[in-house]
Amino acid sequence: AQSVTQPDIHITVSEGASLELRCNYSYGATPYLFWYVQSPGQGLQLLLKYFSGDTLVQGIKGFEAEFKRSQSSFNLRKPSVHWSDAAEYFCAVGTNTGNQFYFGTGTSLTVIP
Amino acid sequence: GAGVSQSPSNKVTEKGKDVELRCDPISGHTALYWYRQSLGQGLEFLIYFQGNSAPDKSGLPSDRFSAERTGGSVSTLTIQRTQQEDSAVYLCASSLDRGPLETQYFGPGTRLLVL
Repeated sequence: AQSVTQPDIHITVSEGASLELRCNYSYGATPYLFWYVQSPGQGLQLLLKYFSGDTLVQGIKGFEAEFKRSQSSFNLRKPSVHWSDAAEYFCAVGTNTGNQFYFGTGTSLTVIP
Repeated sequence: GAGVSQSPSNKVTEKGKDVELRCDPISGHTALYWYRQSLGQGLEFLIYFQGNSAPDKSGLPSDRFSAERTGGSVSTLTIQRTQQEDSAVYLCASSLDRGPLETQYFGPGTRLLVL
């Protein structure tokens, strides 16, 4: 069965520090992978997605993610975090039928000055 | 082009009452999804529409939950005889077409509290 695991419930980083949010997935076929951000009081916004090709994907707001098939991972990174990045981050996998999307439980990011 | 809108933004109801949650997708989007986000949980897929039909209802947690979509646009999620465990944020998303290649655009959600 398809599933997504985000092992870190909550992460705190200092402004300007680098960030990596972990995501592991379980899916039998080639996965379609996504990262979404949910800011307080806002809807989910797509940061980036991976379907095929280059395993390093660039997204909005300076985020990138790397697909590693051997590790079944799709970790999100940002070289230098800004206070406005404080939010909830969700990793998701989509099936090739497009009928369902499976989300992780989210990682809450706190940015301290 | 407005985004996905949902109403009401907040709903408080008593256990046993029925509630209706509304989703207005982006104009022209044929695919529409409903999710539930419970406290401390990820997004749980509920149902998916392609046009007015729902080929996949497997995510609905019980027969108290139903959804419809009319005119290929507005969708309503109905919860009958609400229970306290139904308390959650209900999110709607739409995409131009079905398929994982299509970006889903999410609404702000309806926060449901069942007392």
